[in-house]
Amino acid sequence: DGGITQSPKYLFRKEGQNVTLSCEQNLNHDAMYWYRQDPGQGLRLIYYSQIVNDFQKGDIAEGYSVSREKKESFPLTVTSAQKNPTAFYLCASSPTGVRTDTQYFGPGTRLTVL
Amino acid sequence: AQKITQTQPGMFVQEKEAVTLDCTYDTSDQSYGLFWYKQPSSGEMIFLIYQGSYDEQNATEGRYSLNFQKARKSANLVISASQLGDSAMYFCAMTVYSSASKIIFGSGTRLSIRP
Repeated sequence: DGGITQSPKYLFRKEGQNVTLSCEQNLNHDAMYWYRQDPGQGLRLIYYSQIVNDFQKGDIAEGYSVSREKKESFPLTVTSAQKNPTAFYLCASSPTGVRTDTQYFGPGTRLTVL
Repeated sequence: AQKITQTQPGMFVQEKEAVTLDCTYDTSDQSYGLFWYKQPSSGEMIFLIYQGSYDEQNATEGRYSLNFQKARKSANLVISASQLGDSAMYFCAMTVYSSASKIIFGSGTRLSIRP
């Protein structure tokens, strides 16, 4: 089955630790995205990548880093510089990354920093 | 700046009734796309329907239709014959052609279907 997988579903970390969230897609999509969702709110874009080895900052990139070494993978690292990392993180992909593309989402990772 | 406004934080609807979820948007661009997503309690965002700014017909996908009124800058989602499984958060979203490749989301409407 084609789709987007994110792991783990729930993640707990101590304050000050870096943590990496996984996102994999087998849809052969060129573009991938990371969003953050806080309770009762919509999604905010962290980073996006339209092609391998290239990525761009979104609206709230501070304290996060990404890499795109393979087309199917777009891991997100939440660094200790992110002041309030507890949130729900959603990864998405779209076929070409053009502005009218529909984005398809993974199941999300809920990160809690203790 | 682009903005999406959803003014209904929560709605209750009787099963089998039709429901309209409101969405207004603000952009100075002439070319843009409008989306609706459903987010059940599991958290996954499920794409429902898309409307392009130059599409003359309202988009429809099964029980979902998008009531697109360009002059009013509204893009309401209509769900016909609601079902218990429709209970979820619903987000309206927009992309604009002149911006970077990203979607702007509204704050969402929580829809609860009563049996």
